[in-house]
Amino acid sequence: EDQVTQSPEALRLQEGESSSLNCSYTVSGLRGLFWYRQDPGKGPEFLFTLYSAGEEKEKERLKATLTKKESFLHITAPKPEDSATYLCAVGNQAGTALIFGKGTTLSVSS
Amino acid sequence: EAGVTQFPSHSVIEKGQTVTLRCDPISGHDNLYWYRRVMGKEIKFLLHFVKESKQDESGMPNNRFLAERTGGTYSTLKVQPAELEDSGVYFCASSPLQGAGYTFGSGTRLTVV
Repeated sequence: EDQVTQSPEALRLQEGESSSLNCSYTVSGLRGLFWYRQDPGKGPEFLFTLYSAGEEKEKERLKATLTKKESFLHITAPKPEDSATYLCAVGNQAGTALIFGKGTTLSVSS
Repeated sequence: EAGVTQFPSHSVIEKGQTVTLRCDPISGHDNLYWYRRVMGKEIKFLLHFVKESKQDESGMPNNRFLAERTGGTYSTLKVQPAELEDSGVYFCASSPLQGAGYTFGSGTRLTVV
């Protein structure tokens, strides 16, 4: 069964304190690994898609990497505005749906 | 570009009543998805439309849920009759290509009492 597990569930950082979020997955035939950001009361906002092991993508202070079993979202020198829930998802084999993890809630204090 | 619009944003109904949620995707997006997040759980897939056709409805929980997308534009999700366990946030999303990153709406928070 396709499954996505994110850790930690919650992470508190001081402004400028870099860290990484983990997403481990089991899927029969990866059809993309997706990262989303979700703010309270809003829908998930698309960040990145990764398709093959070794691939990396960056956006501002965020960098996503992918191996055959997991993905990391690295946050460099975070700011309070980076506080949000970060969701990881994988595409199912048919390409018709995403399978989400429960998310990591990040809080960055100044 | 207008985003994905969902309404209502909140709905509180009694058990046994009927509720209809609406989603307006981004214009030109053939792919439309419905997802649901029940409290404490992950976001889960309900179904996927390509234009007006149901491509995958494997996530629909039971026959109390009916989704339509007449004309391939907006979509509705009807729950009839609603049960307590139907409470949660219902998200709609759209994409121009199947398998591409979606644009999500802000969701409809449904509370069944």
